[in-house]
Amino acid sequence: EDQVTQSPEALRLQEGESSSLNCSYTVSGLRGLFWYRQDPGKGPEFLFTLYSAGEEKEKERLKATLTKKESFLHITAPKPEDSATYLCAGLTSGGYNKLIFGAGTRLAVHP
Amino acid sequence: SAVISQKPSRDICQRGTSLTIQCQVDSQVTMMFWYRQQPGQSLTLIATANQGSEATYESGFVIDKFPISRPNLTFSTLTVSNMSPEDSSIYLCSVERDSDTQYFGPGTRLTVL
Repeated sequence: EDQVTQSPEALRLQEGESSSLNCSYTVSGLRGLFWYRQDPGKGPEFLFTLYSAGEEKEKERLKATLTKKESFLHITAPKPEDSATYLCAGLTSGGYNKLIFGAGTRLAVHP
Repeated sequence: SAVISQKPSRDICQRGTSLTIQCQVDSQVTMMFWYRQQPGQSLTLIATANQGSEATYESGFVIDKFPISRPNLTFSTLTVSNMSPEDSSIYLCSVERDSDTQYFGPGTRLTVL
């Protein structure tokens, strides 16, 4: 069964304290690994897509990496505005494009 | 990217009633999706809606409970029928653009009493 697992469930950081969020996946025929940011009361906001092991993508203080079994979202010197829930999702290779979401990591960055 | 709106943004409904949620996108798309996000949980795909064909439902979701319409390439509706408190959730639509990337609407927060 296709599954995406994120850890930790919640993470509290001080401003400037770098860390990483983990996303491990077992998705048959993975076509892509997606990262989204979700703020309270809003829909997920697209951040990155990774397609192959070894690929890296960066955006401001965020960097996403991908291996054959997991993906990491590295947050460098976070600011309070980075506080949100970060979701990862695997795209299956079935007849249509289905995203399998993890439960998310709730990140709180304190000044 | 895509600009997606949903109506209503939130609603409080009585059990046994039905609610229709609208999703409008700023330009034509082939694939639209409907998700449910229960309190404190992640997103679960309900169904995929292509214009001109029947919606494809995921395991555990049926057309009688969640009928979907897709009358054109910029609009879709999801109806939550015969609601119970267990249907209290956030309902999200998304569209596919830019090489398999899905972009999401702001969501509809539904509370069933």
